[in-house]
Amino acid sequence: GAVVSQHPSRVICKSGTSVKIECRSLDFQATTMFWYRQFPKQSLMLMATSNEGSKATYEQGVEKDKFLINHASLTLSTLTVTSAHPEDSSFYICSASIREDTEAFFGQGTRLTVV
Amino acid sequence: LAKTTQPISMDSYEGQEVNITCSHNNIATNDYITWYQQFPSQGPRFIIQGYKTKVTNEVASLFIPADRKSSTLSLPRVSLSDTAVYYCLVGDSNYQLIWGAGTKLIIKP
Repeated sequence: GAVVSQHPSRVICKSGTSVKIECRSLDFQATTMFWYRQFPKQSLMLMATSNEGSKATYEQGVEKDKFLINHASLTLSTLTVTSAHPEDSSFYICSASIREDTEAFFGQGTRLTVV
Repeated sequence: LAKTTQPISMDSYEGQEVNITCSHNNIATNDYITWYQQFPSQGPRFIIQGYKTKVTNEVASLFIPADRKSSTLSLPRVSLSDTAVYYCLVGDSNYQLIWGAGTKLIIKP
């Protein structure tokens, strides 16, 4: 299957700093990528839908200015958590699909810990 | 948007066949059914997808009755490494996927 690479897999940062997470589709072009957040023992929660060349669409309750999403090319989307706080500590996962009606392939996830 | 209902958890033993049923009463005509597997601290992994009747691949089978209001993921001869959370999703595009709580499957030796 198609491969989605997410980097870094783990990151620890100090409160108030910003962290950037990359999501790359390695062997296919993804017009659309999705960003999720998953708290311990909970399901995935969609944060935003990232479209190449345009602004991301955020889900209700997700702060646009805090979670900056950039979809620079058909193979790369980034999520920047700005001014991170301990409550932002979570598992962040991206996914991409070749088309909206085909299966989505997920990255390995990024464990963010804000101290 | 179609919601799904799955058992919260299931236990089974190595070598057994495991069937996980998902209910999706308000599935739409264009919706397809997809199952994912997730291990702790990893992204979900696609298992199987279907629209109607039966679909089989190298890891699982998916049974969908004629009314499509439910579906059953069948894992043949499970092993300890199949211990994971299994998610059933319904939608006609990846834009509309709603992730439920999933089913935590525990395989015992």
